[in-house]
Amino acid sequence: EADIYQTPRYLVIGTGKKITLECSQTMGHDKMYWYQQDPGMELHLIHYSYGVNSTEKGDLSSESTVSRIRTEHFPLTLESARPSHTSQYLCASSRGGYAEAFFGQGTRLTVV
Amino acid sequence: KQEVTQIPAALSVPEGENLVLNCSFTDSAIYNLQWFRQDPGKGLTSLLLIQSSQREQTSGRLNASLDKSSGRSTLYIAASQPGDSATYLCAVRGFQKLVFGTGTRLLVSP
Repeated sequence: EADIYQTPRYLVIGTGKKITLECSQTMGHDKMYWYQQDPGMELHLIHYSYGVNSTEKGDLSSESTVSRIRTEHFPLTLESARPSHTSQYLCASSRGGYAEAFFGQGTRLTVV
Repeated sequence: KQEVTQIPAALSVPEGENLVLNCSFTDSAIYNLQWFRQDPGKGLTSLLLIQSSQREQTSGRLNASLDKSSGRSTLYIAASQPGDSATYLCAVRGFQKLVFGTGTRLLVSP
């Protein structure tokens, strides 16, 4: 079983609020990823990290930012939430860029 | 740009049937292909990983094949059960990134 955790699982927040979605893994994986998924739609990569102090933007433009100060922790931050940010956010990790990827349970974000 | 297509988009079968889910991709320069299962509102559970040098992988009632040159993979589920009902996603790994298909929604009725 994969040891990758996301909190919170569900979040309803007002427009303009700053939020941070947490993602932690205990497997010592160097690669971590954030995907965004709208209901019934495919996953889109929004951020990834090769290791500590390394972050890159993914294929889908996103107003969120990420940081990687510790290997096990890869939080995603929205400085000012908008209704267009309503979606499910999925965090993943892998050992190396080409190994099996493991996903967390996701955070379902609703901005009202 | 890599594009991944999954057919069918939805499938409904009675319990006990064997079934095949299809995945095709446009760029054969992949490192591996991974099949996932996603239950409603949940994250993804890894089912099988096939490296580009492999032809197939098996785990229990699941068997995945890969034909890299033709850009195709299939997931075979034997003796389907109601608990297999979920969305099945395939993802191909190119340079550092996983690209996902839109999935096949499977419903297995008792």
